[in-house]
Amino acid sequence: GAGVSQSPSNKVTEKGKDVELRCDPISGHTALYWYRQSLGQGLEFLIYFQGNSAPDKSGLPSDRFSAERTGGSVSTLTIQRTQQEDSAVYLCASSLGGGFTDTQYFGPGTRLTVL
Amino acid sequence: GQSLEQPSEVTAVEGAIVQINCTYQTSGFYGLSWYQQHDGGAPTFLSYNALDGLEETGRFSSFLSRSDSYGYLLLQELQMKDSASYFCAVLDNTDKLIFGTGTRLQVFP
Repeated sequence: GAGVSQSPSNKVTEKGKDVELRCDPISGHTALYWYRQSLGQGLEFLIYFQGNSAPDKSGLPSDRFSAERTGGSVSTLTIQRTQQEDSAVYLCASSLGGGFTDTQYFGPGTRLTVL
Repeated sequence: GQSLEQPSEVTAVEGAIVQINCTYQTSGFYGLSWYQQHDGGAPTFLSYNALDGLEETGRFSSFLSRSDSYGYLLLQELQMKDSASYFCAVLDNTDKLIFGTGTRLQVFP
């Protein structure tokens, strides 16, 4: 079947605008993860969902960031009032089980550029 | 604070064996993961160790010593395609995954 897909692949926005990033996990995967990777940097864990619930949201960088997952499938990451420091590649991954012990399959990422 | 340390760069030749170390200092510990990322690509999950010892998957093995807050990724029979960045990550007791800054492996012919 299809892998993890993310949309858009690229997003250029102006400072102060809101953006919404979408992740479609592999069908049947119960866990979904969001990460951020700035240019030349390592991965920054943002949040993960087990089903529709997120046990801990404190990995989100600020209260401008929010994420939701509905129907145990699609997830959206919303960034309000974007800032230039939000520019990064946002990666989504899913796994069959949760708790980080199962193999995570990553999507291609959304490259966000805030001007 | 929370930190993971790994070498910034490692070089080796095809066919060789290389070990990438990771030491961590985190608030609680559930397990250590390793990821591979080729330039311009998405990360690929390699392994997860929750218990002490060595876990082998093909040419790659991962080791954990909880008492030493230390782990490593061992790559054997290196191939050119193994040139990539490798990240270790610790799952802490607040369900957060803390990543190291990555080790860039360059394999030469």
